[in-house]
Amino acid sequence: GAGVSQSPRYKVAKRGQDVALRCDPISGHVSLFWYQQALGQGPEFLTYFQNEAQLDKSGLPSDRFFAERPEGSVSTLKIQRTQQEDSAVYLCASGSTGDLQETQYFGPGTRLLVL
Amino acid sequence: QQQVKQSPQSLIVQKGGISIINCAYENTAFDYFPWYQQFPGKGPALLIAIRPDVSEKKEGRFTISFNKSAKQFSLHIMDSQPGDSATYFCNTILRAGGTSYGKLTFGQGTILTVHP
Repeated sequence: GAGVSQSPRYKVAKRGQDVALRCDPISGHVSLFWYQQALGQGPEFLTYFQNEAQLDKSGLPSDRFFAERPEGSVSTLKIQRTQQEDSAVYLCASGSTGDLQETQYFGPGTRLLVL
Repeated sequence: QQQVKQSPQSLIVQKGGISIINCAYENTAFDYFPWYQQFPGKGPALLIAIRPDVSEKKEGRFTISFNKSAKQFSLHIMDSQPGDSATYFCNTILRAGGTSYGKLTFGQGTILTVHP
């Protein structure tokens, strides 16, 4: 079956531009996570949705970052006024149950480069 | 904040050898310890996981050993194969403040290279 997909796979932005990154989770999955992975590092948590509700946004690094999942399926991570330090791979993961020990299925990520 | 310390950063093993990756954590409220495997250009994928009430879990060639008193856990890959070459991340999940979802805290990663 289809896994988690993300688009675009690569994005080059000029500093100050706004970008929108899309995540299509596995159909029917309750949980949706966004993580940020800097080069050579482990992913770091950004935000969590359970269905359409954003239950945790404690990892969003600034108010330039926000995410939405209006219908409980597709999610968009938006970064306003991009900065060079935003360059990273943005990973989306979905889970079927919403409980603590659920397996998270990751997409391939969107590699963002801010020039 | 570094809640999980992973070592080594990189590891080179000959085919058929044993690969060992170690992780140490600080917060005793961590409740679940999954390992994820990531190939270049791909997202991480769950490899194996353990709960803190279990000292060891084995799945095929992969074994997690857990030492609760030392707050350490490790991944052993037996009979390592070139196809195992990837980055491995230990993770912890914290049960705190009534949180019921699995917010992963990744280690720094270990790049494993298995030579044929």
